[in-house]
Amino acid sequence: DAGVIQSPRHEVTEMGQEVTLRCKPISGHNSLFWYRQTMMRGLELLIYFNNNVPIDDSGMPEDRFSAKMPNASFSTLKIQPSEPRDSAVYFCASTTGNRALRNEQFFGPGTRLTVL
Amino acid sequence: SQQGEEDPQALSIQEGENATMNCSYKTSINNLQWYRQNSGRGLVHLILIRSNEREKHSGRLRVTLDTSKKSSSLLITASRAADTASYFCATDRGDDKIIFGKGTRLHILP
Repeated sequence: DAGVIQSPRHEVTEMGQEVTLRCKPISGHNSLFWYRQTMMRGLELLIYFNNNVPIDDSGMPEDRFSAKMPNASFSTLKIQPSEPRDSAVYFCASTTGNRALRNEQFFGPGTRLTVL
Repeated sequence: SQQGEEDPQALSIQEGENATMNCSYKTSINNLQWYRQNSGRGLVHLILIRSNEREKHSGRLRVTLDTSKKSSSLLITASRAADTASYFCATDRGDDKIIFGKGTRLHILP
C-alpha cells in the first residue's frame, strides 16, 4: 500500500493567490482528516470527513478555507485568498472503522505551504 | 488551552538510557494515543490505550494511563539514535473531538 499521498509536497505562493492541496487516502479507509501544524499552535484538526461527508469543520479557521471530498479516493483543501499567516505544514490522514476519532490514523507526508 | 500537554517540551538522553514523556489532559477521555514524528515527516501511530486500560506494551514502548490523575506516560527503553523524534499524545474526549498536544522533542545522544 502506498500510504496516504499528498501533493504538492512544497508550495510557495504569494499573498492573495489561491492554493489547493490534495490528498489521496489509503484505499478502503472511510475517514479522512486535514490538519495544520505550526510551531506556535501545534497540530490542529481543521476538518474531517466520514464516508465523503464533512462531519466536523469547526477547526477551519475562516471562510477562506474550504475542503471537499468528491469521492472516497480524493480530497482537496483550498485556501482563497491565501495570507502569510496560513504558512504551515498541512497534513492529511485517514483511518477506517466506526467512530473514526478513536482509531489509529495514518498520516501523509504533509504539504509545506509558504505564503509570501 | 491544549487538552493534551506533553512534558517535558524537550529531552536529551544518552543512547541506551530510558526516556520517559508525560501527557496531561483536562477532561475525561475515551482513549489516548501516542504518535511519533520524525523531522519533516508525518506522524506515525505508536500505541493506543483505552480509558479502561492502565498499561500497554509494544516492543520497547510502555504506556501507562492514570485516569484519576488525567495523565499518561510513554516510556522508551534502551533508547536508540533512531528514536530521535517528536512525540505527541492525542486524546479522544468522547465528543468526537481529538486533540493533539504540542509534543516532546526527544534527542538521543550518541
